[in-house]
Amino acid sequence: NFVLTQPHSVSESPGKTVTISCTGSGGSIASSFVQWYQQRPGRAPTTVIYEDNRRPSGVPDRFSAFIDSSSNSASLTISGLQTEDEADYYCQSYYGTTWVFGGGTKLTVL
Amino acid sequence: EVQVLESGGGLVQPGASLRLSCAASGFNFVSYDMAWVRQAPGKGLEWVCTISGSGRTYYADSVKGRFTVSRDNSKNSLYLQMTSLRGDDSAVYYCAKVGTAAGTVDHWGQGTLVTVSS
Repeated sequence: NFVLTQPHSVSESPGKTVTISCTGSGGSIASSFVQWYQQRPGRAPTTVIYEDNRRPSGVPDRFSAFIDSSSNSASLTISGLQTEDEADYYCQSYYGTTWVFGGGTKLTVL
Repeated sequence: EVQVLESGGGLVQPGASLRLSCAASGFNFVSYDMAWVRQAPGKGLEWVCTISGSGRTYYADSVKGRFTVSRDNSKNSLYLQMTSLRGDDSAVYYCAKVGTAAGTVDHWGQGTLVTVSS
C-alpha cells in the first residue's frame, strides 16, 4: 500500500520560510500528482497546491511545492510566513483509483 | 462561482443508515468526478469514495460494501448512502469537486457532521 508520511508539527516565526515534507513509501511519489491542502482550525480544507506545483487562483505565490524523486518525497514551502498561515497541511496523492492522504502537519506561526 | 453544499448529517445509532446529499453549482456538474472525504474528530483527512461523471464508483476498503455513492446529473447532486454505520464512521463528511486531473480536489464543501452513537 502507498503511504504518505508527514511530520506531526512544525513551527516558525512570522516572516520566515518553512518547508513541510511528505514522504512516500510503497510506491513512487512521482507516479501521480501530489496536492496540498490547508485546513485552518474549525474550517473546511482548501487547496493550496495541485498537480505537484500549481497554485489555484487566489493562493499567494508565497506557497510553492516540489517533488524530489531521489528521496521519494514532496515538499510544501511557505515563505514570508504570516499568522494566517497557521493551520494543518495535508499532502495527498493517489495510486490507480485510490486516494491517499498524509497524516497532516500542524504549522504553528509564533 | 463553484459551490458544493452538503446536507443530511446527524446523530444515528450503530447499525443505522443515513443518506448524505451534496448540491453543486457554478460548474458543468456532469463533466467532473466528485468525491467524499471524511475527517474523524481530531483526526486527519480520509478518502471515502469517488464517482466519475458517468457513474463509475471507487471506494476505500473501510467503507466498501456499506457505503454507496451516486449522483443525479439532472439535479447537479451527489449522494452518499451509508448503511451498517459504526462508531468509527463518526466524522465530518466533505463533498469535494475533483479537478481536471483525476485525484485532485479543487473545491471543498463546508462539511456535514455524522455522529454514530447509542
